[in-house]
Amino acid sequence: EAGVTQSPTHLIKTRGQQATLRCSPISGHTSVYWYQQALGLGLQFLLWYDEGEERNRGNFPPRFSGRQFPNYSSELNVNALELEDSALYLCASSRHRGAGQETQYFGPGTRLLVL
Amino acid sequence: AQSVTQLDSQVPVFEEAPVELRCNYSSSVSVYLFWYVQYPNQGLQLLLKYLSGSTLVESINGFEAEFNKSQTSFHLRKPSVHISDTAEYFCAVSPSRGGGTSYGKLTFGQGTILTVHP
Repeated sequence: EAGVTQSPTHLIKTRGQQATLRCSPISGHTSVYWYQQALGLGLQFLLWYDEGEERNRGNFPPRFSGRQFPNYSSELNVNALELEDSALYLCASSRHRGAGQETQYFGPGTRLLVL
Repeated sequence: AQSVTQLDSQVPVFEEAPVELRCNYSSSVSVYLFWYVQYPNQGLQLLLKYLSGSTLVESINGFEAEFNKSQTSFHLRKPSVHISDTAEYFCAVSPSRGGGTSYGKLTFGQGTILTVHP
């Protein structure tokens, strides 16, 4: 069974640009989660999508947005990039609607560097 | 809301020695508990989880964790570590009931870097 995949593995942007990160969940999983792992800030919950809808959102500004496609893959968009957006962005997927007992399986991450 | 505190940011230990990584949590609702491991330049891998039932849970590679409700702790232990256990370990919780701002998300501790020396 293929795991969660993310692309690209690395992304370099400059301040003010937009970044698009992609995630493909494990087959059969309908929920996708995004987390930010920034140096010194730990792992922070960003977004949760299930069945194409945003179900929950962390404490991030609106320039962090995303969507989930009919095949359950997901895209995270970060507009007007700032230096502090440099981080490892992790995507996870789970079965069903993110019920707490459903294990979240993580991808390898996309490392975003903003110059 | 939930919060997780991992009491040690770094734990150095010699190979074949026992190790304990400490985790305490705070929550106004009942939670599920998880330990994830992150090897250098990789994503997170689930190590073990507590959902219900026996308070002692084990992983396939020799780690175990015990849920202590009264002390709100979920410490991770291994009786004899190996060089390959060198990694960062994250304790996480999620609410066991739906609804609210915490629904669906994992709240992580700051991580503990375990370094196993030969």
